[in-house]
Amino acid sequence: SQQGEEDPQALSIQEGENATMNCSYKTSINNLQWYRQNSGRGLVHLILIRSNEREKHSGRLRVTLDTSKKSSSLLITASRAADTASYFCATPLQGAQKLVFGQGTRLTINP
Amino acid sequence: ETGVTQTPRHLVMGMTNKKSLKCEQHLGHNAMYWYKQSAKKPLELMFVYSLEERVENNSVPSRFSPECPNSSHLFLHLHTLQPEDSALYLCASSQVWTPNYEQYFGPGTRLTVT
Repeated sequence: SQQGEEDPQALSIQEGENATMNCSYKTSINNLQWYRQNSGRGLVHLILIRSNEREKHSGRLRVTLDTSKKSSSLLITASRAADTASYFCATPLQGAQKLVFGQGTRLTINP
Repeated sequence: ETGVTQTPRHLVMGMTNKKSLKCEQHLGHNAMYWYKQSAKKPLELMFVYSLEERVENNSVPSRFSPECPNSSHLFLHLHTLQPEDSALYLCASSQVWTPNYEQYFGPGTRLTVT
C-alpha cells in the first residue's frame, strides 16, 4: 500500500487564486517532501519539512505538517500559469532507506 | 536546470534491441537512483547506488541492468524489453543515501518499446 496519498487528484483554478493540496501518510515519519513535475519532465524539489516543524514557507509556497493527523498540505498563493504541473508528496518508508512518492495532484491554472 | 542530465531524452526500441540510458550528475552527490514512472502509477524506485555500490534493487527484472562506473555517472542497460516497460525513466541524485535529503532529478528518458 502507498505511504503517501495526495488529495485531490486534480485541481483546476483561475490564475491569481490560491491552490491547496493535501497529503496523507500512514506511518511515523521524520520528514516530508514536496516535489513539482511539469508535464513529461523530471521532478523538482520544493520543500522539505521535518517532523518537529509545523509550517514552512518558500516564496509563494506554504507547507504545513500535522503529525497527529499524519497529514501535510501545500498552499500555493497567487497562482500563475507557470504553476500548472503535478505536485507530489514523498515520505521515507519506515524501516527502509527510500522515499515513497504519492500519485500526485494535477494542478491546472487557467488564465 | 537541476544539475542532473539524462540522455537520450526519447528512445524508441524494439523488443529485441539493446540500448543504454545515461545519467550524469554535476553536484558532487554520493547517491544516485533510477526510477520508473508509468501512467497512472506512483513513481517506482528501481535501483540505488551509494558511493558506486548498488545498495537497493527493488525486484527489477533482469532485462534492466544498472551500472555505476563512478559517482557522477549512472547507466541503465536495456535488453529484450516488453511493451509494458514503456515509461518515463528518471535518474536522481542526493548528497547521501538517505530519505532525509532532497533528491535532484534529471529530465527523464521517455522510452517506447514497440
